[in-house]
Amino acid sequence: DGGITQSPKYLFRKEGQNVTLSCEQNLNHDAMYWYRQDPGQGLRLIYYSQIVNDFQKGDIAEGYSVSREKKESFPLTVTSAQKNPTAFYLCASSGEGVRRNIQYFGAGTRLSVL
Amino acid sequence: AQSVTQPDIHITVSEGASLELRCNYSYGATPYLFWYVQSPGQGLQLLLKYFSGDTLVQGIKGFEAEFKRSQSSFNLRKPSVHWSDAAEYFCAVGSDGNKLVFGAGTILRVKS
Repeated sequence: DGGITQSPKYLFRKEGQNVTLSCEQNLNHDAMYWYRQDPGQGLRLIYYSQIVNDFQKGDIAEGYSVSREKKESFPLTVTSAQKNPTAFYLCASSGEGVRRNIQYFGAGTRLSVL
Repeated sequence: AQSVTQPDIHITVSEGASLELRCNYSYGATPYLFWYVQSPGQGLQLLLKYFSGDTLVQGIKGFEAEFKRSQSSFNLRKPSVHWSDAAEYFCAVGSDGNKLVFGAGTILRVKS
């Protein structure tokens, strides 16, 4: 089955710790995205990547970092600089041409602070 | 800048009743418009999309939405709601640059 796999489903972060959320897709999509979801605020874009080895900041990039070394993988690191990391994190991808506007989502990772 | 407003934070409907979820957007050109649904603790599933052409679009699970340019709206409708439709619904607007802007969501509760 083609899709987007996020892991782990639940993650806990200690004070001062960096944690990495995994996102893998086998849809052969060029573009990938990371969103943060907080109750009542919808989804906010953290980072996105339209091609391998290139990525751009979204609306709330501070305290986060990403890499895009492979087409199918787009890991997100939540650094210790992110003072309020508790949220639901969603990864998405989109294809080519007009379909690059259609984003498909993974099942999400819920991050909590210990 | 693009923006999306979903005026209703919560909506409760009886099972079998009709449903309309409101979405208003702000965008200078003809937008790409989407409705997604999210069950608790899950990712988002695409219900339907509008790119161009017929302003009434059909989606999965019996949902439809109508694009009204004059009102900058893209309301989601369903003639008869089922208990399994209880979820959170997000409207989103996109441009040709493939970034999406999401509304804050509407939580649908279905009472039996």
